[in-house]
Amino acid sequence: AQKVTQAQTEISVVEKEDVTLDCVYETRDTTYYLFWYKQPPSGELVFLIRRNSFDEQNEISGRYSWNFQKSTSSFNFTITASQVVDSAVYFCALSDLSGAGSYQLTFGKGTKLSVIP
Amino acid sequence: DTGVSQDPRHKITKRGQNVTFRCDPISEHNRLYWYRQTLGQGPEFLTYFQNEAQLEKSRLLSDRFSAERPKGSFSTLEIQRTEQGDSAMYLCASRTVTGELFFGEGSRLTVL
Repeated sequence: AQKVTQAQTEISVVEKEDVTLDCVYETRDTTYYLFWYKQPPSGELVFLIRRNSFDEQNEISGRYSWNFQKSTSSFNFTITASQVVDSAVYFCALSDLSGAGSYQLTFGKGTKLSVIP
Repeated sequence: DTGVSQDPRHKITKRGQNVTFRCDPISEHNRLYWYRQTLGQGPEFLTYFQNEAQLEKSRLLSDRFSAERPKGSFSTLEIQRTEQGDSAMYLCASRTVTGELFFGEGSRLTVL
């Protein structure tokens, strides 16, 4: 069975600080996808990134960066120079890799990030 | 608006009543998914369709729940004889077979 653990329930930071959101996953699959989604108060889940298990290269997109370490089954997310607009609940998720598969996502419980001005 | 749309956004009902939610996916997306999210939790998979065929159902989808996608376009999720435990956000998402998953804003159900 697949499982995603986000140990940090809530984090508060002051604007412009850097913050890292942790994600640890469990799966028996040898190939899989990992995701991060942002859920602002409006409720819509906003896609941030998808990585496949073949590619452990870290990725940077603007103020966002992701650190994938297969050896520790972790896929951590760092926001640099946080802004108030980053305040939201962030979810890490895991799914099967095959396009023919269900692409059923298993989500963690989320980390609520509050950025204080 | 070309995103995933859900209706109604909010529904308050009394226990025992039936409710129906509608999801209109992105037009070229042949796969459609339903998830349920309770307070303080991540979304949980309920079921998904490829075109009009319902290919997988979670054990969370009790006999009181039924989902349809006639003609492979919009989908409906009906809950019969609602219970207080059904109170949740019901999220719809769609994708192409190889594409990314896009979520709607959800339908929030409150059962009194």
